[in-house]
Amino acid sequence: AQSVSQHNHHVILSEAASLELGCNYSYGGTVNLFWYVQYPGQHLQLLLKYFSGDPLVKGIKGFEAEFIKSKFSFNLRKPSVQWSDTAEYFCAVHNAGNMLTFGGGTRLMVKP
Amino acid sequence: GAGVSQSPRYKVAKRGQDVALRCDPISGHVSLFWYQQALGQGPEFLTYFQNEAQLDKSGLPSDRFFAERPEGSVSTLKIQRTQQEDSAVYLCASSPRLAASYEQYFGPGTRLTVT
Repeated sequence: AQSVSQHNHHVILSEAASLELGCNYSYGGTVNLFWYVQYPGQHLQLLLKYFSGDPLVKGIKGFEAEFIKSKFSFNLRKPSVQWSDTAEYFCAVHNAGNMLTFGGGTRLMVKP
Repeated sequence: GAGVSQSPRYKVAKRGQDVALRCDPISGHVSLFWYQQALGQGPEFLTYFQNEAQLDKSGLPSDRFFAERPEGSVSTLKIQRTQQEDSAVYLCASSPRLAASYEQYFGPGTRLTVT
């Protein structure tokens, strides 16, 4: 069965630090990849997505992610985090069928 | 415009009770998904509707779980004879596309606690 792994469960950073959250998936075929974010008290919302083309994808709020097919990875990055980036981040993969498969999430806390 | 709404936002049920969770998708969205999110985990797929047709219910954990979307808009997830392991946040998502491979718009979820 397809699986998605997010290796960092909790990350604490100071403002202006750089961020990289790992995401690896198990399926080897064609995939669509997503990062969703859930800010405190809010619902899940899309941060960025990859379907095809340039493997470096830019999303909202200065986030980007790089699809590395050979490593089955889709890591999320931001050069300089802000306190407002405090949230839980979920990687999700679609390869076939009717479902998204989500990773377990990474809780990011940014200290002011 | 309005996003996906879910009601109730919180539900406490005694073990053995039946519960019904409602989802109002974004108007015109043909696809509707239900997910279960246990504490500290990511959402897990339960079922998928395309308009009123339930095309996939492979994620429903038992025959106590039942979902419907009779008119292709509002959907209800029903859990019969609730058990403690049913305690979770139940998320509804909708999409204007006919597949799960596109962006899904999520509601705020219903937090179910079974005591």
